[in-house]
Amino acid sequence: QSALTQPPSVSGSPGQSVTISCTGTSSDVGSYKRVSWYQQPPGTAPKLIIYEVSNRPSGVPDRFSGSKSGNTASLTISGLQAEDEADYYCSSYTSSSTVVFGGGTKLTVI
Amino acid sequence: EVQLVQSGAEVKKPGESLKISCKGSGYSFTSYWIGWVRQMPGKGLEWMGIIYPDDSDIRYSPSFQGQVTISADKSISTAYLQWSSLKASDTAMYYCARSSTAMDPIDYWGQGTLVTVSS
Repeated sequence: QSALTQPPSVSGSPGQSVTISCTGTSSDVGSYKRVSWYQQPPGTAPKLIIYEVSNRPSGVPDRFSGSKSGNTASLTISGLQAEDEADYYCSSYTSSSTVVFGGGTKLTVI
Repeated sequence: EVQLVQSGAEVKKPGESLKISCKGSGYSFTSYWIGWVRQMPGKGLEWMGIIYPDDSDIRYSPSFQGQVTISADKSISTAYLQWSSLKASDTAMYYCARSSTAMDPIDYWGQGTLVTVSS
């Protein structure tokens, strides 16, 4: 199974919004609501920020939102803050009963 | 408090074997799945496989099937990831992580175990 496709990098200024895409296939993203997003600041373990396409765990700001259309999921971060600078990864359950991650996107707050 | 505590960093030579561990506490170890995730230096996350400690149901990513072995000892709430013959390309950070089911997202992560394979 191939990794889900994410843009290598995105950037935005404080207060702006950015969207990160995550493209899979009909065997993963397109077939399941089991799409998650993780935030990984440098040197730390990842943290879950979105699950089941659009749900936020307790404690995650509502500036983070998720959606899905067809084989592509998206993470939108609105009202960018300096602390949002991190790597972001999507993941999806697959028809092989496994999980696949995206290649990761580095968010720079400029 | 849910915790996944991993064993310490390892430095090994190519061809050597290795088994790293992940001890769960603060929850019912046999009621959740434990997965393993690789992160090579400067690279992204890769899902390796997952185990249900209660009955040792295991799923492997096709990329890692046959390359590693995942196991668990529910009597001591510990999951393992092992290699029989390490390669330099196995150099990476390895995270264990908890999920409610194999389909569910990872809600807790271990601190990571850095494995360095060098001659």
